[in-house]
Amino acid sequence: DAKTTQPNSMESNEEEPVHLPCNHSTISGTDYIHWYRQLPSQGPEYVIHGLTSNVNNRMASLAIAEDRKSSTLILHRATLRDAAVYYCNYFNNAGNMLTFGGGTRLMVKP
Amino acid sequence: NAGVTQTPKFQVLKTGQSMTLQCAQDMNHNSMYWYRQDPGMGLRLIYYSASEGTTDKGEVPNGYNVSRLNKREFSLRLESAAPSQTSVYFCASTPDRLAYEQYFGPGTRLTVT
Repeated sequence: DAKTTQPNSMESNEEEPVHLPCNHSTISGTDYIHWYRQLPSQGPEYVIHGLTSNVNNRMASLAIAEDRKSSTLILHRATLRDAAVYYCNYFNNAGNMLTFGGGTRLMVKP
Repeated sequence: NAGVTQTPKFQVLKTGQSMTLQCAQDMNHNSMYWYRQDPGMGLRLIYYSASEGTTDKGEVPNGYNVSRLNKREFSLRLESAAPSQTSVYFCASTPDRLAYEQYFGPGTRLTVT
């Protein structure tokens, strides 16, 4: 089964960087790592995805370990609007399914 | 361009009743998915449709059936609702392979009493 491990919650101050870790030790070479976030009472929202190289977009950066067994989502300057549950998951190509784990609840303090 | 829409937004059922949750997307996506999210939990995949005309079971398919009516629409049916099916149901779509981002609907909050 595709499994990811994330801390249940993290706290950050506004305007400071946030590093959200994820372990995915069962990942295989062709699986993409995805990050989503979910604001209260909304559906999940795509944040970023990557395969091997570090990735940047307007929302965040994704740092992938060389062995691909872990990754870190980086929010460069947290805002109050970034308070959400962040899910790390990956597409298991063999099973053609996407599994969402428990996620990390990010709290941002003003 | 509405993205992914779901109806209804809220529903209360009695045990044993049946209902169909509707999902539609206007992005010409090939793949569509149904998830459930129990309170304080992550999402679990119920069924998915990789392309029009195909459906496959996900992690928790028991008690549900699906229909990929056409490329736009993917419905989820509960034949005989049970209290254990109380949850928030999300529909999602993606252009093709799961390497692309998934677009989620706003969800249907279902309570079974």
